[in-house]
Amino acid sequence: GAVVSQHPSWVICKSGTSVKIECRSLDFQATTMFWYRQFPKQSLMLMATSNEGSKATYEQGVEKDKFLINHASLTLSTLTVTSAHPEDSSFYICSASEPGTPGAGQYFGPGTRLTVT
Amino acid sequence: QKEVEQDPGPLSVPEGAIVSLNCTYSNSAFQYFMWYRQYSRKGPELLMYTYSSGNKEDGRFTAQVDKSSKYISLFIRDSQPSDSATYLCAMSNFGNEKLTFGTGTRLTIIP
Repeated sequence: GAVVSQHPSWVICKSGTSVKIECRSLDFQATTMFWYRQFPKQSLMLMATSNEGSKATYEQGVEKDKFLINHASLTLSTLTVTSAHPEDSSFYICSASEPGTPGAGQYFGPGTRLTVT
Repeated sequence: QKEVEQDPGPLSVPEGAIVSLNCTYSNSAFQYFMWYRQYSRKGPELLMYTYSSGNKEDGRFTAQVDKSSKYISLFIRDSQPSDSATYLCAMSNFGNEKLTFGTGTRLTIIP
């Protein structure tokens, strides 16, 4: 099956700093990647849809200037949390869908746990 | 009313039992239906996906979709302790478009 990786798996940063999270599709090219946020014991909340070579589409209520998304290649999308604050602490997960397999679902990365102190 | 409703549980069953997990939804435009398994502090793992109504079987897992009732199910036969996880249903209007998730059901299989 398709494999999606994320780096780092966990990160601790100080309030006010920026953190970059990478999402890679390892064995397929992903024209579309998705970024989710998950709080403890809650379901996934879609933050934005990332399309290779174009601007990301953000969900309502998600600050695009705070959560910068770049999809520079068909295998890499990055999420940068700018000027992080403790309330940004969460589990961030990316996913990608394999082209040519409509309806086959999205494949998720292992997630990145962000703690802002 | 949420677009997708899923009983959060927790659900505990003895090893070897048949587990039934369910979701209901309100958006009749949903065409693709998926089940994911998520272990603690891990990303969701795709278990099953189906298109429109019908059944699909893969090993110990069977997914059912009844579009007329807007109801989907996941059955796990011969449940194992390793099946203990949170199970999320998800659906979309078109393949590979953004997914709408249920809240997830936390399942524990008791040895």
